[in-house]
Amino acid sequence: AQKVTQAQTEISVVEKEDVTLDCVYETRDTTYYLFWYKQPPSGELVFLIRRNSFDEQNEISGRYSWNFQKSTSSFNFTITASQVVDSAVYFCALSASSNTGKLIFGQGTTLQVKP
Amino acid sequence: GAVVSQHPSRVICKSGTSVKIECRSLDFQATTMFWYRQFPKQSLMLMATSNEGSKATYEQGVEKDKFLINHASLTLSTLTVTSAHPEDSSFYICSASGGINSPLHFGNGTRLTVT
Repeated sequence: AQKVTQAQTEISVVEKEDVTLDCVYETRDTTYYLFWYKQPPSGELVFLIRRNSFDEQNEISGRYSWNFQKSTSSFNFTITASQVVDSAVYFCALSASSNTGKLIFGQGTTLQVKP
Repeated sequence: GAVVSQHPSRVICKSGTSVKIECRSLDFQATTMFWYRQFPKQSLMLMATSNEGSKATYEQGVEKDKFLINHASLTLSTLTVTSAHPEDSSFYICSASGGINSPLHFGNGTRLTVT
């Protein structure tokens, strides 16, 4: 069965601190996709990244970076120099290769960045 | 800007009435759209896959007669919550993708409150 675990329910940091959000997944598929989404208080889901299982290169986008470790089935997300606007719920998600629209979401991590 | 539009963003209805939620892909055609449900402070759970021109595929435990899905065109899917009850109060969010190599975009969601 497929499963995504985000063990950190809530994280609170002070602005400018770095913060890492953990994501561990389970799947028997050899081909799959991993995602991160941000859900601000307004409710919409903002797409952050999609990574397929064959691409283990880490990625950096501005203050955001992602560390994909297939050996540990993890896809962690780091925000460098956090800002108050980063406060949101962050979801990690997994989908099988056959249907990238059918996502299995983790429970989400609520990040609060205090000024 | 938003590539998936969802309407209404909020709706309050009385118990026993039906509510229709629309999901539109704005600048791409989507043969498949997805409907998710999110209870307060919980994760998103896939309810059903909406297929243009054919019947929707429902996830286990989702009542198809309760949650009617119509995908009459390549840019519009509707979810109708029939005979709504207070336990149907939730955040409903749709998603669509422009293709297998395109990211999955989510609408802004609809917060349904049944009184």
